[in-house]
Amino acid sequence: EAQVTQNPRYLITVTGKKLTVTCSQNMNHEYMSWYRQDPGLGLRQIYYSMNVEVTDKGDVPEGYKVSRKEKRNFPLILESPSPNQTSLYFCASSLILNSPLHFGNGTRLTVT
Amino acid sequence: AQSVTQLDSHVSVSEGTPVLLRCNYSSSYSPSLFWYVQHPNKGLQLLLKYTSAATLVKGINGFEAEFKKSETSFHLTKPSAHMSDAAEYFCVVTATTSGTYKYIFGTGTRLKVLA
Repeated sequence: EAQVTQNPRYLITVTGKKLTVTCSQNMNHEYMSWYRQDPGLGLRQIYYSMNVEVTDKGDVPEGYKVSRKEKRNFPLILESPSPNQTSLYFCASSLILNSPLHFGNGTRLTVT
Repeated sequence: AQSVTQLDSHVSVSEGTPVLLRCNYSSSYSPSLFWYVQHPNKGLQLLLKYTSAATLVKGINGFEAEFKKSETSFHLTKPSAHMSDAAEYFCVVTATTSGTYKYIFGTGTRLKVLA
Protein backbone atom coordinates (compact mmCIF):
# COMPACT_ATOMS: atom_id res chain seq x y z
CA GLU A 1 0.00 0.00 0.00
CA ALA A 2 1.28 3.43 -0.99
CA GLN A 3 1.77 5.45 2.15
CA VAL A 4 3.71 7.93 4.24
CA THR A 5 4.63 6.51 7.62
CA GLN A 6 5.42 8.72 10.58
CA ASN A 7 6.58 7.61 13.99
CA PRO A 8 5.80 8.03 16.76
CA ARG A 9 2.13 9.10 16.77
CA TYR A 10 2.41 10.66 20.22
CA LEU A 11 5.48 11.96 21.99
CA ILE A 12 5.85 13.69 25.34
CA THR A 13 9.28 15.00 26.22
CA VAL A 14 11.03 17.58 28.35
CA THR A 15 12.74 20.79 27.37
CA GLY A 16 16.18 20.25 25.90
CA LYS A 17 16.01 16.50 25.30
CA LYS A 18 16.90 15.79 21.68
CA LEU A 19 14.31 13.88 19.67
CA THR A 20 13.76 12.58 16.16
CA VAL A 21 10.47 12.03 14.35
CA THR A 22 10.84 9.61 11.49
CA CYS A 23 9.11 9.81 8.12
CA SER A 24 9.26 7.26 5.32
CA GLN A 25 7.42 7.00 2.00
CA ASN A 26 7.24 4.01 -0.35
CA MET A 27 6.10 5.84 -3.51
CA ASN A 28 9.48 6.91 -4.86
CA HIS A 29 8.47 10.55 -4.40
CA GLU A 30 11.06 13.24 -4.97
CA TYR A 31 9.49 15.97 -2.85
CA MET A 32 9.13 15.60 0.92
CA SER A 33 8.27 18.16 3.55
CA TRP A 34 7.42 18.71 7.19
CA TYR A 35 4.60 20.87 8.54
CA ARG A 36 3.39 21.89 11.92
CA GLN A 37 -0.30 22.50 12.57
CA ASP A 38 -1.42 24.93 15.24
CA PRO A 39 -4.99 26.11 15.89
CA GLY A 40 -5.96 29.06 13.73
CA LEU A 41 -2.68 29.00 11.80
CA GLY A 42 -3.27 26.15 9.36
CA LEU A 43 -0.24 24.13 8.33
CA ARG A 44 3.09 25.89 8.19
CA GLN A 45 6.04 24.42 6.37
CA ILE A 46 9.16 23.71 8.42
CA TYR A 47 11.55 22.22 5.85
CA TYR A 48 11.27 20.61 2.48
CA SER A 49 13.44 18.50 0.22
CA MET A 50 13.37 18.38 -3.55
CA ASN A 51 15.51 15.22 -3.70
CA VAL A 52 18.30 13.33 -1.97
CA GLU A 53 20.77 15.68 -0.27
CA VAL A 54 18.69 18.72 -1.32
CA THR A 55 16.89 20.40 1.57
CA ASP A 56 15.69 23.94 2.17
CA LYS A 57 13.99 26.00 4.84
CA GLY A 58 10.28 26.54 4.88
CA ASP A 59 8.49 29.29 6.76
CA VAL A 60 9.21 28.20 10.35
CA PRO A 61 12.58 26.36 10.38
CA GLU A 62 14.00 27.71 13.66
CA GLY A 63 14.73 24.95 16.15
CA TYR A 64 14.46 22.12 13.62
CA LYS A 65 16.83 20.12 11.47
CA VAL A 66 16.25 17.63 8.68
CA SER A 67 18.30 15.33 6.49
CA ARG A 68 17.63 13.46 3.25
CA LYS A 69 20.26 10.78 2.87
CA GLU A 70 17.90 8.37 1.13
CA LYS A 71 14.98 9.13 -1.13
CA ARG A 72 12.41 7.41 1.06
CA ASN A 73 13.35 8.88 4.46
CA PHE A 74 13.09 12.43 5.76
CA PRO A 75 13.53 12.61 9.56
CA LEU A 76 12.75 15.72 11.58
CA ILE A 77 15.19 16.45 14.37
CA LEU A 78 14.65 18.73 17.35
CA GLU A 79 18.08 19.20 18.91
CA SER A 80 16.82 21.07 21.98
CA PRO A 81 13.03 21.09 22.10
CA SER A 82 11.20 23.94 23.77
CA PRO A 83 7.56 24.26 24.89
CA ASN A 84 6.71 26.47 21.89
CA GLN A 85 7.40 23.45 19.69
CA THR A 86 4.42 21.65 21.18
CA SER A 87 2.30 21.02 18.11
CA LEU A 88 0.89 18.49 15.66
CA TYR A 89 3.45 17.59 13.02
CA PHE A 90 2.82 16.16 9.57
CA CYS A 91 5.20 14.70 7.06
CA ALA A 92 4.12 14.73 3.43
CA SER A 93 5.48 13.71 0.06
CA SER A 94 4.67 14.30 -3.60
CA LEU A 95 5.98 12.94 -6.86
CA ILE A 96 7.18 16.43 -7.83
CA LEU A 97 6.21 19.96 -6.88
CA ASN A 98 2.67 20.68 -8.19
CA SER A 99 1.63 17.08 -7.63
CA PRO A 100 -0.74 16.34 -4.75
CA LEU A 101 0.80 15.87 -1.33
CA HIS A 102 0.36 12.56 0.48
CA PHE A 103 0.32 12.93 4.25
CA GLY A 104 1.37 10.80 7.15
CA ASN A 105 -0.98 10.36 10.09
CA GLY A 106 0.71 13.00 12.18
CA THR A 107 2.79 13.17 15.35
CA ARG A 108 1.43 15.00 18.36
CA LEU A 109 4.39 16.39 20.26
CA THR A 110 4.21 17.83 23.77
CA VAL A 111 7.27 19.52 25.26
CA THR A 112 7.06 20.28 28.98
CA ALA B 1 4.70 36.32 -3.45
CA GLN B 2 2.19 33.54 -3.56
CA SER B 3 -0.41 33.35 -0.82
CA VAL B 4 -3.79 31.84 -0.11
CA THR B 5 -6.70 33.23 1.93
CA GLN B 6 -9.63 31.25 3.19
CA LEU B 7 -12.29 33.83 3.74
CA ASP B 8 -14.27 32.04 6.47
CA SER B 9 -12.80 30.33 9.50
CA HIS B 10 -16.15 28.68 10.33
CA VAL B 11 -19.12 27.76 8.16
CA SER B 12 -22.36 26.17 9.39
CA VAL B 13 -24.92 24.60 7.06
CA SER B 14 -27.93 22.38 7.52
CA GLU B 15 -27.81 18.83 6.25
CA GLY B 16 -29.04 18.68 2.67
CA THR B 17 -28.23 22.33 1.87
CA PRO B 18 -25.39 23.56 -0.36
CA VAL B 19 -21.86 24.08 0.88
CA LEU B 20 -19.62 26.96 -0.20
CA LEU B 21 -16.09 27.32 1.19
CA ARG B 22 -14.24 30.29 -0.20
CA CYS B 23 -10.59 30.51 -1.17
CA ASN B 24 -8.68 33.34 -2.84
CA TYR B 25 -5.10 33.04 -3.95
CA SER B 26 -2.32 35.30 -5.05
CA SER B 27 0.17 34.07 -7.60
CA SER B 28 2.41 35.63 -10.20
CA TYR B 29 2.02 32.64 -12.49
CA SER B 30 -0.45 29.83 -13.11
CA PRO B 31 -0.42 27.90 -9.87
CA SER B 32 -1.52 24.43 -8.92
CA LEU B 33 -4.35 24.51 -6.39
CA PHE B 34 -5.71 21.86 -4.08
CA TRP B 35 -8.38 21.32 -1.48
CA TYR B 36 -7.73 18.96 1.43
CA VAL B 37 -10.05 17.75 4.16
CA GLN B 38 -9.12 16.86 7.72
CA HIS B 39 -11.61 14.98 9.86
CA PRO B 40 -11.20 15.21 13.64
CA ASN B 41 -8.03 13.51 14.86
CA LYS B 42 -7.18 12.37 11.36
CA GLY B 43 -4.61 13.20 8.72
CA LEU B 44 -5.24 15.23 5.57
CA GLN B 45 -6.96 13.75 2.55
CA LEU B 46 -6.93 15.20 -0.97
CA LEU B 47 -10.38 16.30 -2.16
CA LEU B 48 -9.45 17.68 -5.55
CA LYS B 49 -6.72 19.42 -7.53
CA TYR B 50 -6.44 22.02 -10.26
CA THR B 51 -3.37 21.86 -12.49
CA SER B 52 -4.23 24.07 -15.51
CA ALA B 53 -6.58 21.67 -17.27
CA ALA B 54 -10.37 22.14 -16.96
CA THR B 55 -11.37 25.08 -14.76
CA LEU B 56 -14.20 23.13 -13.12
CA VAL B 57 -12.66 20.36 -11.09
CA LYS B 58 -14.61 17.45 -9.65
CA GLY B 59 -13.36 15.73 -6.54
CA ILE B 60 -14.35 12.98 -4.18
CA ASN B 61 -17.55 12.79 -2.14
CA GLY B 62 -19.47 15.12 -4.47
CA PHE B 63 -17.23 18.15 -3.98
CA GLU B 64 -16.14 20.38 -6.84
CA ALA B 65 -14.26 23.64 -7.27
CA GLU B 66 -14.03 26.23 -10.00
CA PHE B 67 -10.81 28.00 -10.88
CA LYS B 68 -11.53 31.64 -11.78
CA LYS B 69 -8.38 33.40 -12.84
CA SER B 70 -10.03 36.80 -13.21
CA GLU B 71 -11.21 36.64 -9.59
CA THR B 72 -8.16 34.69 -8.32
CA SER B 73 -10.56 32.33 -6.57
CA PHE B 74 -10.89 28.58 -6.14
CA HIS B 75 -14.06 28.10 -4.11
CA LEU B 76 -15.15 24.65 -2.98
CA THR B 77 -18.79 23.64 -3.35
CA LYS B 78 -21.09 20.72 -2.77
CA PRO B 79 -24.78 20.68 -3.71
CA SER B 80 -26.01 18.90 -0.60
CA ALA B 81 -24.19 18.64 2.72
CA HIS B 82 -24.00 15.39 4.61
CA MET B 83 -23.27 14.96 8.30
CA SER B 84 -20.03 13.18 7.40
CA ASP B 85 -18.78 16.37 5.69
CA ALA B 86 -18.20 18.01 9.07
CA ALA B 87 -14.45 18.58 9.10
CA GLU B 88 -11.77 21.19 8.51
CA TYR B 89 -10.95 22.12 4.93
CA PHE B 90 -7.69 23.57 3.64
CA CYS B 91 -7.03 25.38 0.38
CA VAL B 92 -3.45 24.98 -0.87
CA VAL B 93 -1.44 26.72 -3.58
CA THR B 94 2.00 25.81 -4.86
CA ALA B 95 4.63 28.49 -4.93
CA THR B 96 7.83 28.73 -6.90
CA THR B 97 9.68 31.97 -6.36
CA SER B 98 13.37 32.79 -6.13
CA GLY B 99 14.36 29.15 -6.05
CA THR B 100 11.92 28.10 -3.33
CA TYR B 101 9.38 25.37 -3.87
CA LYS B 102 6.52 25.30 -1.44
CA TYR B 103 2.95 24.28 -0.82
CA ILE B 104 1.22 27.15 0.96
CA PHE B 105 -1.78 26.33 3.12
CA GLY B 106 -4.69 28.53 4.03
CA THR B 107 -5.63 28.78 7.69
CA GLY B 108 -8.55 26.41 7.25
CA THR B 109 -12.35 26.52 7.30
CA ARG B 110 -14.17 24.42 9.84
CA LEU B 111 -17.44 23.13 8.41
CA LYS B 112 -20.26 22.30 10.79
CA VAL B 113 -23.27 20.38 9.49
CA LEU B 114 -26.49 20.75 11.46
CA ALA B 115 -29.07 17.98 11.57
